[in-house]
Amino acid sequence: ETGVTQSPTHLIKTRGQQVTLRCSSQSGHNTVSWYQQALGQGPQFIFQYYREEENGRGNFPPRFSGLQFPNYSSELNVNALELDDSALYLCASSLPGASVDTQYFGPGTRLTVL
Amino acid sequence: QKEVEQDPGPLSVPEGAIVSLNCTYSNSAFQYFMWYRQYSRKGPELLMYTYSSGNKEDGRFTAQVDKSSKYISLFIRDSQPSDSATYLCAIGTTDSWGKLQFGAGTQVVVTP
Repeated sequence: ETGVTQSPTHLIKTRGQQVTLRCSSQSGHNTVSWYQQALGQGPQFIFQYYREEENGRGNFPPRFSGLQFPNYSSELNVNALELDDSALYLCASSLPGASVDTQYFGPGTRLTVL
Repeated sequence: QKEVEQDPGPLSVPEGAIVSLNCTYSNSAFQYFMWYRQYSRKGPELLMYTYSSGNKEDGRFTAQVDKSSKYISLFIRDSQPSDSATYLCAIGTTDSWGKLQFGAGTQVVVTP
C-alpha cells in the first residue's frame, strides 16, 4: 500500500457534465500531481499543487482545475466533460527534495464519459 | 514528437526468458529515470530509479541508462507469469519535481 487513496474508484458521467475526483496524499506530503491515463497510453501530467497553489500545468485546458487543502487532500475538477476525457485519473503525492522513490501513486479513478 | 518514446508491444515471452524493454527520450535536461510496473486497472508501482548513466541492479531487474544516446532499458531475468503487466518508463528533472514524462508503456505477457 502506498498510503495514497483516491475516490471514487470509478464513475460514469455524460458529456457536458462536471466531475470532482478526490485524492488523499500520504501523510506529510505537501505536493500532489495529477495525471490522465487514456486506455493503452502512458500517464499524461495534468497539473501539480504545492502548498495549496498550482505549481505547473501540462497541456490541458482550463476546464481541468484543482484544489489542494491544508490536510494535503486534493481535488481534480473537470467541467464540460467530453468523450475524450474518459480515462484513468491518477494522483501522486511527494515531498520535494526527497528521493524520487518517495513519490507514490494512488490506485486511480476510472472515469467513463458517455 | 513525444518527449519519451516507448514501443507499446505487446511483448510475449516464455517463462524463464529475459525481458528487454526500451525507451528513448529527446531532451538531455532530464536527470532521473524510472521504471514503473502497472497491473490492469491499478496505479503504477515504482520498480527502479536511477540518476546516472550505467547499470543498476535489484534482484531480477536491471535498469540501464545511456545519457549520451538518450536511451534507457529495463531487463527482467528469469521472467515469471506474475511479471505480466504493463511497464512504463518515466523521466524527470529536479527542477520540475514530480512532473514526470511517461512513455506509452509496453505490455508484457509471460507465458508458463
